[in-house]
Amino acid sequence: GAVVSQHPSRVICKSGTSVKIECRSLDFQATTMFWYRQFPKKSLMLMATSNEGSKATYEQGVEKDKFLINHASLTLSTLTVTSAHPEDSSFYICSARDSLAGYNEQFFGPGTRLTVL
Amino acid sequence: QQQVKQSPQSLIVQKGGISIINCAYENTAFDYFPWYQQFPGKGPALLIAIRPDVSEKKEGRFTISFNKSAKQFSLHIMDSQPGDSATYFCAASMPIRGSTLGRLYFGRGTQLTVWP
Repeated sequence: GAVVSQHPSRVICKSGTSVKIECRSLDFQATTMFWYRQFPKKSLMLMATSNEGSKATYEQGVEKDKFLINHASLTLSTLTVTSAHPEDSSFYICSARDSLAGYNEQFFGPGTRLTVL
Repeated sequence: QQQVKQSPQSLIVQKGGISIINCAYENTAFDYFPWYQQFPGKGPALLIAIRPDVSEKKEGRFTISFNKSAKQFSLHIMDSQPGDSATYFCAASMPIRGSTLGRLYFGRGTQLTVWP
């Protein structure tokens, strides 16, 4: 099956610093990638939709200046949490849609656990 | 407003039993209904998916039943095993065209525990 990687898997940072999370589709091209946030024992909350070569579309209530998304190639999207604070601590997951698939098959990365001290 | 409603929130099944998780939706524009399995600390994994032109799809021990008129679909796990203990999410999406980029609408999840 299609593989999506995320790096890093875990990150601990001090309050006020910025953290970059990478999402890569390893064996397929992904015109569109999605970024989610998940709280313990909760469902996935879509943060933004990332399209290769264009600006990301953010969901209502998500600060675009805080969560910077860059989708520079067909296999890589990055999420940068700027000036992180403890309330940004969460599990961040990306998914990638196979551009060549007929339907909306999306494959998820393993997630990144962010802890802000 | 929750686009996809999932039940039950938690489910406990004996080993060898059948696990059944149900989902319902309102938006008739949805045309793709996947199920994802998630283990603690991991990303969701695509388990099985169905489109509304079929009423049932089976892959191994996993079966999706789809009722278009009732706008409901369900996941059946036959011969449930302790290794199936995980959180299961149903989802739905609309056709990918124009500005609709394939966003998935997720249910709230079902935590399945299979006792040995």
